[in-house]
Amino acid sequence: EAGVTQFPSHSVIEKGQTVTLRCDPISGHDNLYWYRRVMGKEIKFLLHFVKESKQDESGMPNNRFLAERTGGTYSTLKVQPAELEDSGVYFCASSRMGVETQYFGPGTRLLVL
Amino acid sequence: TQLLEQSPQFLSIQEGENLTVYCNSSSVFSSLQWYRQEPGEGPVLLVTVVTGGEVKKLKRLTFQFGDARKDSSLHITAAQPGDTGLYLCAGVGFVEYGNKLVFGAGTILRVKS
Repeated sequence: EAGVTQFPSHSVIEKGQTVTLRCDPISGHDNLYWYRRVMGKEIKFLLHFVKESKQDESGMPNNRFLAERTGGTYSTLKVQPAELEDSGVYFCASSRMGVETQYFGPGTRLLVL
Repeated sequence: TQLLEQSPQFLSIQEGENLTVYCNSSSVFSSLQWYRQEPGEGPVLLVTVVTGGEVKKLKRLTFQFGDARKDSSLHITAAQPGDTGLYLCAGVGFVEYGNKLVFGAGTILRVKS
């Protein structure tokens, strides 16, 4: 069974540009989570999808962040326009319905200059 | 807002020594998980403790959940260089909150041979 994959692995952009991160969860996992770790801080929850629906987006920092999960499969997280403080590692995780165990992807390292 | 205080932040010890990592919160969690993260990868689940007072062992690693389900510890006996890495604790929210994870800041462990 393939694990959670994320693309790209690294992204370096300039302030004001747009970046789109992609997450492919494990097949059959209805739950999909996005988390972020900024430098020196703990990993923080951003949002949670159940299939294509946003179950909880309480962790989204502001309206420059837009997450989608079309068809309940892969998800994208777009940052537009990117700011310096958006730099960090963005993790995606997925799990089966009713199961607590979340499987994490390798993360996307975003650097905004 | 639920917070998880993890200590120590850094630990550098000699091979064969014992160590304990602590995770404390003022909040009650559904369960508590311990992860290990290698450079360039996402967190990988080591164990989940669910019941207050529960103790789980994974080879030389012993995990304990506090009676009140607010704190946990990870004890490593006779540490080996292969134990080097980033250890994270994460509180699991109750199902009505989507099981989102609340992470501690992590403990960087270095075991010298």
